[in-house]
Amino acid sequence: AAGVIQSPRHLIKEKRETATLKCYPIPRHDTVYWYQQGPGQDPQFLISFYEKMQSDKGSIPDRFSAQQFSDYHSELNMSSLELGDSALYFCASSSSRGSGRARYEQYFGPGTRLTVT
Amino acid sequence: AQTVTQSQPEMSVQEAETVTLSCTYDTSESDYYLFWYKQPPSRQMILVIRQEAYKQQNATENRFSVNFQKAAKSFSLKISDSQLGDAAMYFCAYRSPTSGTYKYIFGTGTRLKVLA
Repeated sequence: AAGVIQSPRHLIKEKRETATLKCYPIPRHDTVYWYQQGPGQDPQFLISFYEKMQSDKGSIPDRFSAQQFSDYHSELNMSSLELGDSALYFCASSSSRGSGRARYEQYFGPGTRLTVT
Repeated sequence: AQTVTQSQPEMSVQEAETVTLSCTYDTSESDYYLFWYKQPPSRQMILVIRQEAYKQQNATENRFSVNFQKAAKSFSLKISDSQLGDAAMYFCAYRSPTSGTYKYIFGTGTRLKVLA
């Protein structure tokens, strides 16, 4: 079965540079979520999109922005990178259709490991 | 706001033995979902087991089972016949049923070591 695809898998940037992370949800999934997992930490919710509209917002810095496109893929744009932005960034997708536990259950991608030097 | 607490930063278990990982949560909602995720060194998030709060019956998936105590807001994971491949970080997660807020809230994780 198709899974969530994230690209790139690894990214190295310098301070003050810009990075763009991409997420391709499972086909027919309409909701995308972004999480940030720092070293030795638990994943923290950043932002989510449903049908191309922002649906929820967590602790996402103002330097970050994201959007969901008409084909449902999503991009997380990170500017003025700081050393503290080094983390694993997960994308997850879910479907609002169906019923029971399948509805809204999130499927995680493999993550993008961002290193800021 | 909902919170998830895992009070055991690290646990060890002998191969073939049984281990229980603890998780407590705080919420004012009556209907929600709880999950256990496994994160091996590859750092992929792998769903181990889920529990719907409206179900009284504890979920079971092969060697993995939960002890869900709704009144106590406790959701522990029991791993039976532990295998070397079970060694990983385990995260407990909560998901609200409220429309528009389907994000997962994770605990801080428990690192499980399996001893041969």
